[in-house]
Amino acid sequence: GNSVTQMEGPVTLSEEAFLTINCTYTATGYPSLFWYVQYPGEGLQLLLKATKADDKGSNKGFEATYRKETTSFHLEKGSVQVSDSAVYFCALRPIQGAQKLVFGQGTRLTINP
Amino acid sequence: DVKVTQSSRYLVKRTGEKVFLECVQDMDHENMFWYRQDPGLGLRLIYFSYDVKMKEKGDIPEGYSVSREKKERFSLILESASTNQTSMYLCASSQQGLANTGELFFGEGSRLTVL
Repeated sequence: GNSVTQMEGPVTLSEEAFLTINCTYTATGYPSLFWYVQYPGEGLQLLLKATKADDKGSNKGFEATYRKETTSFHLEKGSVQVSDSAVYFCALRPIQGAQKLVFGQGTRLTINP
Repeated sequence: DVKVTQSSRYLVKRTGEKVFLECVQDMDHENMFWYRQDPGLGLRLIYFSYDVKMKEKGDIPEGYSVSREKKERFSLILESASTNQTSMYLCASSQQGLANTGELFFGEGSRLTVL
């Protein structure tokens, strides 16, 4: 079946630190991959996505590269800010045209000044 | 600005009560979803609707039902609330067919406590 596994949280970093949140997936075929972010008190919103192998999604200084050989889509940011404190969810859409996403368990990130 | 609006941000109910969670979207989306969010478990799909009056069970439909009488509105119903349904409930919508990029648009969530 289709599944997404994220690194265990919570993750606590100091401002300006380098961030990596690991995400690996299991899927048949060629899924699209997504990172969603949930800021405190808000719903989820799309952060970035990649639709095929070797694509890199980027937004707000965050990046993730679709690695088919390692079935991974790790989220990275070179220098985090306090405002990046949120819960991050990795997700996949199993095939082109599929209506539903499969989400990982979420990783809570706290950035200290 | 596109919007998914959930009627109640916080609810406190008693065991056995009937609970209605309402969701309205203004983007003319065909697809609407109800998820449950619990720490360590991520988002789990309760029900999905792809058209008016059409619904599909998700991963955890037990104890829940849904109603979609109008395209913009999707309701989640707990017929007899139980303490294990204490959770954050998230509504989402998306486009369908070729316009579907895979992006979901979420409401702010409804935090339900069942005593």
